[in-house]
Amino acid sequence: DSGVTQTPKHLITATGQRVTLRCSPRSGDLSVYWYQQSLDQGLQFLIQYYNGEERAKGNILERFSAQQFPDLHSELNLSSLELGDSALYFCASSGSGTNTGELFFGEGSRLTVL
Amino acid sequence: DQQVKQNSPSLSVQEGRISILNCDYTNSMFDYFLWYKKYPAEGPTFLISISSIKDKNEDGRFTVFLNKSAKHLSLHIVPSQPGDSAVYFCAATGGAQKLVFGQGTRLTINP
Repeated sequence: DSGVTQTPKHLITATGQRVTLRCSPRSGDLSVYWYQQSLDQGLQFLIQYYNGEERAKGNILERFSAQQFPDLHSELNLSSLELGDSALYFCASSGSGTNTGELFFGEGSRLTVL
Repeated sequence: DQQVKQNSPSLSVQEGRISILNCDYTNSMFDYFLWYKKYPAEGPTFLISISSIKDKNEDGRFTVFLNKSAKHLSLHIVPSQPGDSAVYFCAATGGAQKLVFGQGTRLTINP
């Protein structure tokens, strides 16, 4: 158990819809990262928050947004969903704001867009 | 632009033998490299790392080798055990780059 909790574990929705994925980091970790894993792809970095503020942005679509709340949990909002958004979305946390490497991952949220 | 590449999608090894997983990178700014292991229905977990100031790091049955001139790293598992069957991701970071992952290699250890 990494200590990172993601909900929901599975989500099926239709094109054009909007969903919210939730992440609770490990106790005490200030950084939250979101990654997307599509079929046969590696983990693509989407965005990082540190103590409530956006720290870094990766290949995140404009239809996607995220935020980190004062209690440090984070939400990833995906809107105007397309078939290609079907993927496993991972949240990870770490104690520091710098990317020194070791991240602790949740079990992921599997999104299926029909 | 795939900065970290794992060219073997899968690898099958006999139990007790050595497993060698390979990874290549293109960004010379990377200075810290990691391997993560992922079981089905679980998130990736950190396995071992190496800094660019070293060329080898060992932890039990796991050894990571780094060849900076070739921009290549490898993970050796010896002896391989059935519980090592998983997907292994190579990752790299450095400069302003966030952790960049390869596509993963599915390792199967056959009894």
